[in-house]
This record gives sequence, structure tokens and C-alpha cells, in this order.
Amino acid sequence: GNSVTQMEGPVTLSEEAFLTINCTYTATGYPSLFWYVQYPGEGLQLLLKATKADDKGSNKGFEATYRKETTSFHLEKGSVQVSDSAVYFCALDQAGTALIFGKGTTLSVSS
Amino acid sequence: GAGVSQSPRYKVAKRGQDVALRCDPISGHVSLFWYQQALGQGPEFLTYFQNEAQLDKSGLPSDRFFAERPEGSVSTLKIQRTQQEDSAVYLCASSQGRTRVTEAFFGQGTRLTVV
Repeated sequence: GNSVTQMEGPVTLSEEAFLTINCTYTATGYPSLFWYVQYPGEGLQLLLKATKADDKGSNKGFEATYRKETTSFHLEKGSVQVSDSAVYFCALDQAGTALIFGKGTTLSVSS
Repeated sequence: GAGVSQSPRYKVAKRGQDVALRCDPISGHVSLFWYQQALGQGPEFLTYFQNEAQLDKSGLPSDRFFAERPEGSVSTLKIQRTQQEDSAVYLCASSQGRTRVTEAFFGQGTRLTVV
């Protein structure tokens, strides 16, 4: 069945460091891929999405590219801020199914 | 309201007790979803409504779980005879579209603890 695997955390970085959170997926066909973020005390929010191969989603300095050949959708940011501290979830949505989430990766950024 | 609202935010139930969790979606949103998030895990799908119709309940873990959305807006997730394994955060999400690919907006969740 469809599944999402993302790197385990926590990820601890200093401010302005480069961030990568790995995400790979297993799915038949052509799912849409998402990154959701959960800030402390808040609900899940859509961060970015990509709906087909080679699409790049971007938002708030974060980017992720839909790589069908490696079944990956890694999240990157060139320079993290303390305010980026949150839990990040990779997810996929294939027509006819609900969102399938990874387990989440906790990011902690210190100044 | 401006976002998806869930109540209560926290619920402690004794094992065997029935609970009801409420979700107020964004006004006008057609689709409504319930997810269960265990500690340290990602959310897992429970059920999906399009207006008042429950189109998918394949994720409900047992017949103790029941959801309704009688007028196509507010939804209630009911858990009968709660068990310790039901302890989790229950998330509600709504989206404007009639498919599941469109952006879903999530509430803050209800944290259920069964003691």
C-alpha cells in the first residue's frame, strides 16, 4: 500500500544553517505530495505541495522537488530561523484516498 | 469562524466511558475529514464527509467509533466504551473542494486521554 517515510528527528540546528529533511514515498500511479508544518500549540498547516513529477513547491524559503525517479520529496531551506522550530510532516494524496502522513520530524533551531 | 474549531481541546475519560468530540469546519467547506494522531506518529485517516454524506469510513478502527455530520457543517466523532488505546489527538480538517487533493485546513485537535 501507499506509505511515506521521513527521517527521524529531532533535528537540531543553529540559526542560518542549511536544512534538509528527507522524505521518500511508496505509491502506485502519480500521487500529489505535500509538506505540512505544526508549530507549537497550533494546528497542521500546509507548507508546500507538488502535484506532478519535477514540480518544485516553495513557500517561506522552503523548497521541495517531486522526484519520481527516486520517489522522494526532500524538504530544504537555505537558512533556518528560530521561528522555523516546529514538527514537519511529509504526506501524499492519491486520487481516491485520504492524505497519508509520515511520522513527522521535529526541528529545533537555536540562536 | 476564521478557522477549523475543535472542542474540547482536552478530554480525560475513564475506560468504558463514551465521549463526543466536536468539529466546526470553515464555513462553506464541502469536505470534512477526521484523523487520529497517536503520540510520536503522523495523523491517520479515520473518515471523510462530503456535505452530510459519509463517503469513506474505512479508517475507523472499530465499531465503537462513529461520526456524523447531519446538516453538512458541524461534525461529531463519537467513541463508545473508550479503551486506553483510543488515547490520541483527534484532528479535524475541512476543505473547499469536493476532492481530497485540494488544500485541507486543520483544527488544533482534541487530545483524548483514557485512564
